[in-house]
Amino acid sequence: GAGVSQSPSNKVTEKGKDVELRCDPISGHTALYWYRQSLGQGLEFLIYFQGNSAPDKSGLPSDRFSAERTGGSVSTLTIQRTQQEDSAVYLCASSVVAGGLGNTIYFGEGSWLTVV
Amino acid sequence: GESVGLHLPTLSVQEGDNSIINCAYSNSASDYFIWYKQESGKGPQFIIDIRSNMDKRQGQRVTVLLNKTVKHLSLQIAATQPGDSAVYFCAENSGGSNYKLTFGKGTLLTVNP
Repeated sequence: GAGVSQSPSNKVTEKGKDVELRCDPISGHTALYWYRQSLGQGLEFLIYFQGNSAPDKSGLPSDRFSAERTGGSVSTLTIQRTQQEDSAVYLCASSVVAGGLGNTIYFGEGSWLTVV
Repeated sequence: GESVGLHLPTLSVQEGDNSIINCAYSNSASDYFIWYKQESGKGPQFIIDIRSNMDKRQGQRVTVLLNKTVKHLSLQIAATQPGDSAVYFCAENSGGSNYKLTFGKGTLLTVNP
């Protein structure tokens, strides 16, 4: 597709259940990012993938959160045993290489997660 | 820790006026700054970026100004239109990181017809 694609766009889940959020980056983009946005807040960095290098997981809030990127393209963010404080918009982004002038970071529309 | 912040949480302007959205940053090691626009229910949309070796950069109807002396960033929108109504975020590459961005909380711009 032309942009970063995320699914599902909306997800309501019960507390304690696991959820998987999917991201399809822009074709040819080697850098992929996950951010989280709570209501009325700015974006919080979660994890970064660059090609086949080990990801930077320093932003993941707990060990219930994990992410993988298969074949250097599609990424899945998994949240285990969801809690109400996990409710947020999860945004995926990609860029040709790591961000910087000329390497614009493009965001998807986000996956809105509500934990009830 | 160091963070990016905004002076004004909301800004209301008349259609056709120029808008100025301000942002203060505190991490002197950051050398790349971006402005994003986010409309309700959508993901952030890239507007314009600037490196620390520049003090001004222009795009279509937008200009970003960077004052490293006072660690201040601003976004100027010329001839503001109703379609410009959105939340605007400034972001910095955290302490010079080549991939990790730190975002401010955003400014809500409302354009009155």
